[in-house]
Order: sequence, then structure tokens, then C-alpha cells
Amino acid sequence: QSALTQPASVSGSPGQSITISCTGTSSDLGNYDLVSWYQQRPAKAPKLIIYEVYKRPSGISNRFSGSKSGNVASLTIMGLQAEDEADYFCCSFGGSNNIHVIFGGGTKLTVL
Amino acid sequence: QVQLQESGPGLVKPSETLSLTCTVAGDSMSGYSWSWIRQSPGKGLEFIGYIYYSGHTVYNPSLRSRVIISVDTSKKQFYLSLNSVTAADTAIYFCARAVLGTTTSFDNWGQGTLVSVSS
Repeated sequence: QSALTQPASVSGSPGQSITISCTGTSSDLGNYDLVSWYQQRPAKAPKLIIYEVYKRPSGISNRFSGSKSGNVASLTIMGLQAEDEADYFCCSFGGSNNIHVIFGGGTKLTVL
Repeated sequence: QVQLQESGPGLVKPSETLSLTCTVAGDSMSGYSWSWIRQSPGKGLEFIGYIYYSGHTVYNPSLRSRVIISVDTSKKQFYLSLNSVTAADTAIYFCARAVLGTTTSFDNWGQGTLVSVSS
């Protein structure tokens, strides 16, 4: 079972928007609307920012949004702020015959 | 607001058993699934398994032969046991609660505990 594929790094300037992609397969990410995204700051636990493709938990800024098309999910962050600098991981249901949950390798977001 | 706290030895010898406890505070365990997830130093996240409050478990197939997750709702704790550990099991181990009604989105995490496997 392969992990989901994310770019290693992305960057943007304050106020800009960035998008992080997460690529799976038709057996996992593409077949279920069970994609979630996590923000992880250094030495901290991951924090859920998007679940079930586009839903935001209470308290998460609407600057964060999620979407999915085919086997690719995307996380968009609008109006970049310095505090958004962190690692971002995607996650998906792995399919009935595989690992229940699979993660992407993570994307380091740098706010320039 | 629910809080989760991992506890257990920070150092385990190769071939021995890693045992961790996650203590839940601030909410009932009922209705939720409770997971263990690990992160190797500088690397990504790996799902280990989950247990429902009822006791039903699902494990990562790559770890299934070595892992047991159990729960004691009266103590508001759930547990991870991973046997025959090697250096590859060195990681930060997180316990997490899934969003109500799901088993794949984790909205509450412990702070994580580093477990090193070394003689």
C-alpha cells in the first residue's frame, strides 16, 4: 500500500493563496470522500483542519478549504499568514482491502 | 474539550514489547473510535490501528501480527502493545480520537511520546 503523494514543499508570500495537492489512486482517495488534512507545527501533534474532503472543524479559519477531483485532493490556503508556516499532511481511507488510513508524506509550507 | 495523554517507557530494547497507555479526560469514550498513529523522526505519519469503545479493532496489515490495541472504558484509557520491536519501530507515538461517526479523521490528539528502540 503506497502512501499518498504530496509535493515536498510549497511557498508563498503573505496574503497570497497556495494549493497543496495529494494524489492517491482509484482504490483509495479517488473512491471515497474521506480525505482529511492536518497542520503540524514543529514538535506539536497534528491538527485537523479539513475532513471529509471539504468540511472544517469548529474553530478552523475559512481561509482553509479542501476539494477533490478524481484521484487528487487539494488543500487551499487563502490570505497566507506567517502562522500558516508548518507541515501539512493529507490522509484518506485506504479502501476496504488495504490499510484503513493512509497518509501523505507531508508538505512543508514556507511563508516567505 | 477532550484531552488525551500518552504514557509509557521512552526506551525499549530490541525484541521486547512496547506498551503505551492513552488516558482520556474531559469526555466519554462512548461512540468514538480511538487510534494509535506513529511518526518516525523527520518522517510521515503511519496508522497503527483503532479500537471502538465497544472493543472492535482494526489494525494496519503490516503491523497486525505484532500489535494489540485494547480499551478500559471504566478507566478512560486505551492501550497499545507492539511486540518484537526493532529500531524501525522508533517513533513518536500519538493517540487520537476520530471525529464522531468517522474512523478516518482525527480531531483530538495527544501530545505524542517518543519511544526509542535500542539496547
